[in-house]
Amino acid sequence: DIVMTQSPDSLAVSLGERATINCKSSQSVLYSSNNKNYLAWYQQKPGQPPKLLIYWASTRESGVPDRFSGSGSGTDFTLTISSLQAEDVAVYYCQQYSGTPPIFTFGPGTKVDIK
Amino acid sequence: HVQLQESGPGLVKPSGTLSLTCAVSGGSISTNNWWIWVRQPPGKGLEWIGEIYHSGSTNYNPSLKSRVTMSVDNSKNQFSLKVTSVTAADTAVYYCVREGVGAAFDIWGQGTMVTVSS
Repeated sequence: DIVMTQSPDSLAVSLGERATINCKSSQSVLYSSNNKNYLAWYQQKPGQPPKLLIYWASTRESGVPDRFSGSGSGTDFTLTISSLQAEDVAVYYCQQYSGTPPIFTFGPGTKVDIK
Repeated sequence: HVQLQESGPGLVKPSGTLSLTCAVSGGSISTNNWWIWVRQPPGKGLEWIGEIYHSGSTNYNPSLKSRVTMSVDNSKNQFSLKVTSVTAADTAVYYCVREGVGAAFDIWGQGTMVTVSS
């Protein structure tokens, strides 16, 4: 089974400062057939469903502010919020896809607060 | 734009069957997308339950496979979830979701809370 881990569990960042969240997969999510990493990032605010931020590890979903960026390849990935805004307070989840048979696994989440 | 709406009983008795339906509006279910169920126990993380294609093909989470059945009704533009032999551990918010580009979950319903209790 693929296991996803995230670090830290939570972090508090001052407004306007950078927030960095790490995600690690126990197996590579890079598919050689198309050289894509099947790793996505989601933001979940209290009482709301998750919202897709990033897919293919670094492609921003339409409408997502450019202060959100994703990087990494293989097994190690990072979500960066370049300048934290008050509306970014949320829990962030990474998620991987593995095929044959298809299985999706989420990380445990990282809570981001304002310092 | 496509919207998803879950419906079903909010309370299910232990050992009973949880049944939910997801109505797809603003677009056809018969597109090149898989349709997903995800759940989230109170205060906890997200768990993928399984997925279904408009043809009826399914893939399930191995940890739930023995208890889960998904179906699709193209004429009603909806898909459904059944979980049998439920226990308190199945208490969660259940989301229906569309799988989009990059196998990412791009459209989510608002979720429906299901409590397993006698």
